[in-house]
Amino acid sequence: EDKVVQSPLSLVVHEGDTVTLNCSYEVTNFRSLLWYKQEKKAPTFLFMLTSSGIEKKSGRLSSILDKKELFSILNITATQTGDSAIYLCAVRNSGYALNFGKGTSLLVTP
Amino acid sequence: DAGVIQSPRHEVTEMGQEVTLRCKPISGHNSLFWYRQTMMRGLELLIYFNNNVPIDDSGMPEDRFSAKMPNASFSTLKIQPSEPRDSAVYFCASSLLVTNEQFFGPGTRLTVL
Repeated sequence: EDKVVQSPLSLVVHEGDTVTLNCSYEVTNFRSLLWYKQEKKAPTFLFMLTSSGIEKKSGRLSSILDKKELFSILNITATQTGDSAIYLCAVRNSGYALNFGKGTSLLVTP
Repeated sequence: DAGVIQSPRHEVTEMGQEVTLRCKPISGHNSLFWYRQTMMRGLELLIYFNNNVPIDDSGMPEDRFSAKMPNASFSTLKIQPSEPRDSAVYFCASSLLVTNEQFFGPGTRLTVL
């Protein structure tokens, strides 16, 4: 059975800190890994990763995939209170369905 | 551009009643997904459609759940009869192609008393 495990489950940091969120997976016929940010409502798309070792970057957020070790990390530098959210990792298999992890709840305090 | 539209945003009903959730995907998107989110189980895929055809409904919990997509701009998820354990937030998402990133609607918060 496909599995996506995120860690830590929750995290509290101070503004300005750098955080690293982890996502490990066991998926048959891996296609891609996606990161989403969920505040109070719907998840919003951050990154889609398909190749190992290629960093995707958007402002203070970046992510990289390791297909050999079956994990991805999401980095947020110089955190702001607006980064407080649940970060979801999802993996797509050959059936094209997305299998989501339980998420990491990040709280950035002023 | 309008995103994915879902209605109603909130639904409170009594056990045994029929519930119908509605979704309008982003125009031009060919794939549509229904998810359910609870604290216990996180975000789970229920069913997805590609070009209006159901492709994978293995996530539909039981026969009380059904989904349709009569045309490219409308889908429904129906629960009949509803039970308290169906209480959750139901999200609809769409993507241009099934391999692309998915865009989520605002969700319907369902409470079954």
